[in-house]
Amino acid sequence: GEDVEQSLFLSVREGDSSVINCTYTDSSSTYLYWYKQEPGAGLQLLTYIFSNMDMKQDQRLTVLLNKKDKHLSLRIADTQTGDSAIYFCALRASSNTGKLIFGQGTTLQVKP
Amino acid sequence: GAGVSQSPSNKVTEKGKDVELRCDPISGHTALYWYRQRLGQGLEFLIYFQGNSAPDKSGLPSDRFSAERTGESVSTLTIQRTQQEDSAVYLCASSSPHASREQYFGPGTRLTVT
Repeated sequence: GEDVEQSLFLSVREGDSSVINCTYTDSSSTYLYWYKQEPGAGLQLLTYIFSNMDMKQDQRLTVLLNKKDKHLSLRIADTQTGDSAIYFCALRASSNTGKLIFGQGTTLQVKP
Repeated sequence: GAGVSQSPSNKVTEKGKDVELRCDPISGHTALYWYRQRLGQGLEFLIYFQGNSAPDKSGLPSDRFSAERTGESVSTLTIQRTQQEDSAVYLCASSSPHASREQYFGPGTRLTVT
């Protein structure tokens, strides 16, 4: 079945860039998403990318997709303490289903 | 407009009891999803409703779990004869018919089975 892997923890200093990585096994993925979860809160959709794109930029967020290597990354420029949270990548396996497969989440710690 | 809402926000129940969790999707969203998040883990898909089509129940972990949805509105997730391993946060999401079908999540119901 589909598998989505993320590193569990990333620590950066305020003002630096953060890069959160995700690898997956299902090459038929159509849409790939990044969600943010703050302590005790639900999931907030940050951005998504369609599988025929290589890159998408949205303000401080840049998503890179390497379909050949099945690798997705989220870069956060000028990371702030408010960016501290758990970040989940998720993929939609095909256009016929809406169900998402999630990674385990990467905890981003931003040090002042 | 209003986001996805879920109730109750917290539920503590004794092992063996039945529980019912409720989700109100965003108005106009045709698809509704239930996920489970165990402590420190990612989300696990449970069930997916799309309009009047038969639901995708492939993620339900056992026959103790069931869900219903009336049209394109409220959904309830029922867990019968709860077990301690059912303790988790149950998250509901809804999405529009657009191709990207971004899912918007509710705040979740934290279920604790004692």
